[in-house]
Amino acid sequence: ETGVTQTPRHLVMGMTNKKSLKCEQHLGHNAMYWYKQSAKKPLELMFVYNFKEQTENNSVPSRFSPECPNSSHLFLHLHTLQPEDSALYLCASSHLTRSYNEQFFGPGTRLTVL
Amino acid sequence: DQQVKQNSPSLSVQEGRISILNCDYTNSMFDYFLWYKKYPAEGPTFLISISSIKDKNEDGRFTVFLNKSAKHLSLHIVPSQPGDSAVYFCAASTPGEGGATNKLIFGTGTLLAVQP
Repeated sequence: ETGVTQTPRHLVMGMTNKKSLKCEQHLGHNAMYWYKQSAKKPLELMFVYNFKEQTENNSVPSRFSPECPNSSHLFLHLHTLQPEDSALYLCASSHLTRSYNEQFFGPGTRLTVL
Repeated sequence: DQQVKQNSPSLSVQEGRISILNCDYTNSMFDYFLWYKKYPAEGPTFLISISSIKDKNEDGRFTVFLNKSAKHLSLHIVPSQPGDSAVYFCAASTPGEGGATNKLIFGTGTLLAVQP
């Protein structure tokens, strides 16, 4: 595997379900991110992890719970979601020691909440 | 309030001609700008970037221009090819502590269609 991978690619869940999104980066990066992309809206940064430590939580509801066990893996745990949470969830990674932040994205998980 | 704006949701261009994608921003603290390209069912891929100390950066068929006084940047693709058809996102970042920064602010994207 190369680059940034995400599983599953598609997920349909009910409002009472609990599910998790997984992201893995094979680039040797030390920062990872979760973004949400809703229709006709900009990519919204949700969480940032630098060296496994969460450094940013962009006012994300607690029904979204991130986990970063190491600098290569990132999870987004979902529970009691709402239909308006249906969106494309993108994971990205970057190398923090470089001066500028070029982030590399995974293919995303298309989430539908019924 | 959106700090990065792409006011054209779509653009159609003939193959071989120039494509010009525009982006405006409001935060004068932005010091680095990036363009990403996104195909359907794929994540965005980095295309080209420019530092605020420059006004132009060129990479093959792609050139990004920055006009700091107007808070405007543009991406020129010449000649345009059908494979360039995708959504193009403009993004900007501010200096972080220690020089590195994590936060990219994205625009809503412009769908480019290059007609054969």
